[in-house]
Amino acid sequence: EVLLVESGGGLVQPGGSLRLSCAASGFTFSSYTMTWVRQTPGKGLEWVSAISGSGSATYYADSVKGRFTISRDNSKNTLYLQMNSLRADDTAVYYCAKEGCSSGCSFDYWGQGTLVTVSS
Amino acid sequence: DIQMTQSPSSLSASVGDRVTITCRASQGIRNDLGWYQHKPGKAPKRLIYAASSLQSGVPSRFSGSGSGTEFTLTISSLQPEDFATYYCLQHNSYPYTFGQGTKLEIK
Repeated sequence: EVLLVESGGGLVQPGGSLRLSCAASGFTFSSYTMTWVRQTPGKGLEWVSAISGSGSATYYADSVKGRFTISRDNSKNTLYLQMNSLRADDTAVYYCAKEGCSSGCSFDYWGQGTLVTVSS
Repeated sequence: DIQMTQSPSSLSASVGDRVTITCRASQGIRNDLGWYQHKPGKAPKRLIYAASSLQSGVPSRFSGSGSGTEFTLTISSLQPEDFATYYCLQHNSYPYTFGQGTKLEIK
């Protein structure tokens, strides 16, 4: 059974940093592109970032480019999102998701999400 | 970047109704599109992949169609558990983009 479990969310002040983790199990983690998606309060889903199976390729939404860094540790089956210079509009539930194939597919499995609140 | 325009933004319907949601891409995306159902406090659930393929375990009342720039999700006969928010997602090129969502409410 595929399982994705996010952690690391919480309350942080504007300008602060936070690192999210996503522990994966039930599939060959290193074979799949992994993604972070967020849902801001009262709004829709927003794609945030993706990383290839090997970690050699990374992609970012313009809204987070230069502030967020996606990474993965395939030896630990874990995906990360380092979030720096956080702003109020980064407040959201952050989901990790697995692509449905090695690359270029929609997401077949999602975690339950972790809430990040940016507020003073 | 590819923009996804989803309509309607909200929809009021009754159990048993047939409903259709549309997504239009700002440029051709072949069939690189998925449809998701999202309920509050839950993880999004994929209903359709590759524009028209039904995700395993999803009821056959859900169907998808389209290619290029125009896509539709149809629910043939609404059930009480179908009231949720629905999103399309293009995965043709980065940055991937979602439609704005369609909130399906009970009439």
